[in-house]
This record gives sequence, C-alpha cells and structure tokens, in this order.
Amino acid sequence: AQSVTQLGSHVSVSEGALVLLRCNYSSSVPPYLFWYVQYPNQGLQLLLKYTSAATLVKGINGFEAEFKKSETSFHLTKPSAHMSDAAEYFCAASGYSTLTFGKGTMLLVSP
Amino acid sequence: DAGVIQSPRHEVTEMGQEVTLRCKPISGHNSLFWYRQTMMRGLELLIYFNNNVPIDDSGMPEDRFSAKMPNASFSTLKIQPSEPRDSAVYFCASSFSEDSPYGYTFGSGTRLTVV
Repeated sequence: AQSVTQLGSHVSVSEGALVLLRCNYSSSVPPYLFWYVQYPNQGLQLLLKYTSAATLVKGINGFEAEFKKSETSFHLTKPSAHMSDAAEYFCAASGYSTLTFGKGTMLLVSP
Repeated sequence: DAGVIQSPRHEVTEMGQEVTLRCKPISGHNSLFWYRQTMMRGLELLIYFNNNVPIDDSGMPEDRFSAKMPNASFSTLKIQPSEPRDSAVYFCASSFSEDSPYGYTFGSGTRLTVV
C-alpha cells in the first residue's frame, strides 16, 4: 500500500524567507504526486501535480516541487514566503488506487 | 464550472438526531469521495463511488453512517443517530477516476457540530 510522509507538522518561516515543505512517498512504481493547500475554513485546493512529465513542476502562487525518484521525494518550495501563504499543506500520492494523503504541514509565516 | 457543491456549509444538531449531508460532483467526473477531517485523526476517506456504485466503504466508522449516490449528480452522507464524536468537517470530492492523474476536486466542506 502507498504511504506518504510529511516531515514536520508545523513549519515556521519569516516573510520573504524560503519555504521548504518535505514529502516522501513509498512506492516501487512512480506514482502521481500532488500538493494541496487548505486555507482556514476552506476545502483542499490543488497546488500542483506531477504526472511523469517534467520532474520540476510549477504550481500556483509561485510554488514548485521537484520529483526525485532516487530519494522518493516530492518536496514543495517557494523562494519567498508571503503572509498569505499561511495555510495547511498536504502531499498526496496515487498509483492504482485512491489518493493517499500525508498528515499535513501547517505553514506559519511571521512578519 | 461551479466545482463540487456541498450543503449545508454548517450544521448544528442535537445528539440522536439524523443528519444528512449533500454533495453535487463536477459534471463528467465518474468518481465521488466522502472524507472526514478532525484535528485528532486528520483527513480520513470514508467511502467512494465509481459510476454511482459504492466501491470501498471500509472507512465508514459505524453502521450509523450510510452513503448513497442515486445518480451521477448527487450523493448523500447520512448519520443516524448522530453523536458528539461525529463532530468534524466532512468533505466531498470528485474526479475522473480514483487514480486520476488530475487529482481530486474538493468541495468547501460541511462543518458538523453535534451537541
């Protein structure tokens, strides 16, 4: 069965600093990989997805993620954090069944 | 496209009452999913349908929970009788398939409070 691990339930950064949210998956077959963002009192919104095309994937709001097969990782980055990026971020993977979600990482952005 | 539509947005009910949550998936999507989100347990898949047929309901916590999808544009999640521990945010999502490379589209959720 697929599993997704997000390192760190909370990540704190200062406005303007680099954002790095970590995600590792377990699969012998490269899955489809996703990052979702959830703002307070809202549903999950797709940020970006990897589907075996380019390994560096660009998403909305300046976020990007790099698929590294050798490390089974799909870390999410943004060069400069903005206050509006404060939200919970979920990594997810699918292959031959339903999406498997990580437990989420809350991103806190301080001025 | 209006996206996945859930109703109501908020529901407050008394313990023992029946609660029905509703979902309208995106037209053309063949798979529909019901999730529950709590602080303690995170995001849990309760049940999903393919082409209106329930495929996996192993996540449904108890017999008090039931879900139906009478047609391609409507699904319900019912809790009867409701209990305080059912308080959570319930999300509906839809997609082309359960392993779609496009991922799932989520609704805004129903926040259920059972007092």
